[in-house]
Amino acid sequence: DGGITQSPKYLFRKEGQNVTLSCEQNLNHDAMYWYRQDPGQGLRLIYYSQIVNDFQKGDIAEGYSVSREKKESFPLTVTSAQKNPTAFYLCASSMSSGRSTDTQYFGPGTRLTVL
Amino acid sequence: AQSVTQLDSQVPVFEEAPVELRCNYSSSVSVYLFWYVQYPNQGLQLLLKYLSGSTLVESINGFEAEFNKSQTSFHLRKPSVHISDTAEYFCAVSDRRGYQKVTFGTGTKLQVIP
Repeated sequence: DGGITQSPKYLFRKEGQNVTLSCEQNLNHDAMYWYRQDPGQGLRLIYYSQIVNDFQKGDIAEGYSVSREKKESFPLTVTSAQKNPTAFYLCASSMSSGRSTDTQYFGPGTRLTVL
Repeated sequence: AQSVTQLDSQVPVFEEAPVELRCNYSSSVSVYLFWYVQYPNQGLQLLLKYLSGSTLVESINGFEAEFNKSQTSFHLRKPSVHISDTAEYFCAVSDRRGYQKVTFGTGTKLQVIP
């Protein structure tokens, strides 16, 4: 089945530690995205990538980093600089370098809790 | 800049009753409009979208939404809800200028009461 996988589903981290969230897609999509979801705030864009080896900051990139070395993979690192990292993180992809008509397909999400 | 307002954070409704989830947007350019649904502890799935043409769009599970340009609205409706419709619904807009900068609303939780 084609789709997006995110791992792990639940992740616990101590303050001061970096952690990397995995996102893999086998849809052959060019564009990939990372969102953060907090109760009552909807989805906020962290980073996006329209093509391999290229990515741009979204609305709330501070304290996060990404890489896009392969078309199917877009890992997100939550660094210790992120002030309030506890949230639900969603990865998404869309077909053709992010045309505005394209549907975004979402992974099941990773819930990160900082202890 | 564009923004999306979902006026209701929670909407309780009895099973088999009709429901309307409200969405208003603002943008300085023309937009595309989307409704996504999120079931508990899952990612979002596209429910329906308006790109052009008929202002009334329908989904396969009985939801419909109507684009109203003069009122800048894209309300979601279903004439008779089912327990399985219990979920959170997100309205979203996408800038027509090219790159897909999607702005999501804050979501409306639909709770269907048996």
